[in-house]
Amino acid sequence: EAQVTQNPRYLITVTGKKLTVTCSQNMNHEYMSWYRQDPGLGLRQIYYSMNVEVTDKGDVPEGYKVSRKEKRNFPLILESPSPNQTSLYFCASSSRWGGYEQYFGPGTRLTVT
Amino acid sequence: QQPVQSPQAVILREGEDAVINCSSSKALYSVHWYRQKHGEAPVFLMILLKGGEQKGHDKISASFNEKKQQSSLYLTASQLSYSGTYFCGTAMNYGGSQGNLIFGKGTKLSVKP
Repeated sequence: EAQVTQNPRYLITVTGKKLTVTCSQNMNHEYMSWYRQDPGLGLRQIYYSMNVEVTDKGDVPEGYKVSRKEKRNFPLILESPSPNQTSLYFCASSSRWGGYEQYFGPGTRLTVT
Repeated sequence: QQPVQSPQAVILREGEDAVINCSSSKALYSVHWYRQKHGEAPVFLMILLKGGEQKGHDKISASFNEKKQQSSLYLTASQLSYSGTYFCGTAMNYGGSQGNLIFGKGTKLSVKP
């Protein structure tokens, strides 16, 4: 089944404790992206990757890192999480950038205390 | 810059029509429409490209006015299943902006029996 998977789905952590949210797609997609969703703010892009080894900042990259060493994986790293990073995170992928639909993962609900 | 969606919320009876607008202050290359139901990931509806045609499937269609940098989503003869939050995403696709997709804050649509 074609899908985007994220792990973990739920995470409660403490300020400053490094964490990684994994994202994997099995559709051989070139383009992958991370978004955060907060009430009243919609979806905001954190980072995106046009292809392997190519990543770029979205609109809200501060406090996040990403890497794209393999086509299928695009992990989101929070080196020192803070409470303002409490949010719902979505990973998405599309066959390539341009006029192609994005497939979203199920989301990861992160709480930083 | 985040596109502006209007209205913020709308309540319909089954069978009624609705229009959701998305407006940007930047020159756009493409407009993406997604629907998100409560507790779920966003799901793709359609993409409109600069120079492309109006799109539609079933009773949902959309248009893209390149001169005004506006897009509208038309929902005809609404069904209960149309309930959810609708997001438009805009992309400029030039210079360093390729890959950057900026979503509006969303329009919450509720369809009542």
